[in-house]
Amino acid sequence: DAGVTQSPTHLIKTRGQQVTLRCSPKSGHDTVSWYQQALGQGPQFIFQYYEEEERQRGNFPDRFSGHQFPNYSSELNVNALLLGDSALYLCASSLAGTGTSPLHFGNGTRLTVT
Amino acid sequence: QKEVEQDPGPLSVPEGAIVSLNCTYSNSAFQYFMWYRQYSRKGPELLMYTYSSGNKEDGRFTAQVDKSSKYISLFIRDSQPSDSATYLCAMLTNTGGFKTIFGAGTRLFVKA
Repeated sequence: DAGVTQSPTHLIKTRGQQVTLRCSPKSGHDTVSWYQQALGQGPQFIFQYYEEEERQRGNFPDRFSGHQFPNYSSELNVNALLLGDSALYLCASSLAGTGTSPLHFGNGTRLTVT
Repeated sequence: QKEVEQDPGPLSVPEGAIVSLNCTYSNSAFQYFMWYRQYSRKGPELLMYTYSSGNKEDGRFTAQVDKSSKYISLFIRDSQPSDSATYLCAMLTNTGGFKTIFGAGTRLFVKA
């Protein structure tokens, strides 16, 4: 049973560039959430996708956008990268159901902006 | 004030010790409470998931929730060096849709 997979594992970008991160959810899960985790901090909620639509959004600027595909996989896009966007980006999947399904995480994409 | 407060540590204990990790929260809308373990360079892994006040035990781990005090704890018995990791408390709220909020994480070191 495949867990949550994310690609790439590491990425180095230059300030001002754009980046796309990818996520495949755990088998049987239909909801994908994205989190940003700065060094020494807890994960911060970016947004959540269900049925190919953004269902909820955290306190992140419009430079952060996403997409969910019919097979439930998801992408996170970040435009106009800033140095402060350097972080571990985590994808988590869950079952929509009653909304109380716990999150299952991938190992993240480490983004470095120089 | 953050919705979830967690002491970042680090916490260092000898092998075999009982470890107590704690979080406080301010939002009464939090309904479900979780503990995740995160090893270096890995994603968080779900350890415990509970709803009601009281204790829930799973092997060497016990999760405790006190909704009246807005306080949750994770106890680790007979701690092992392999328990060295960051422990994140997390809470699920249905305010404006279901969303999981995390604490800052406590770094734990168990010395052999």
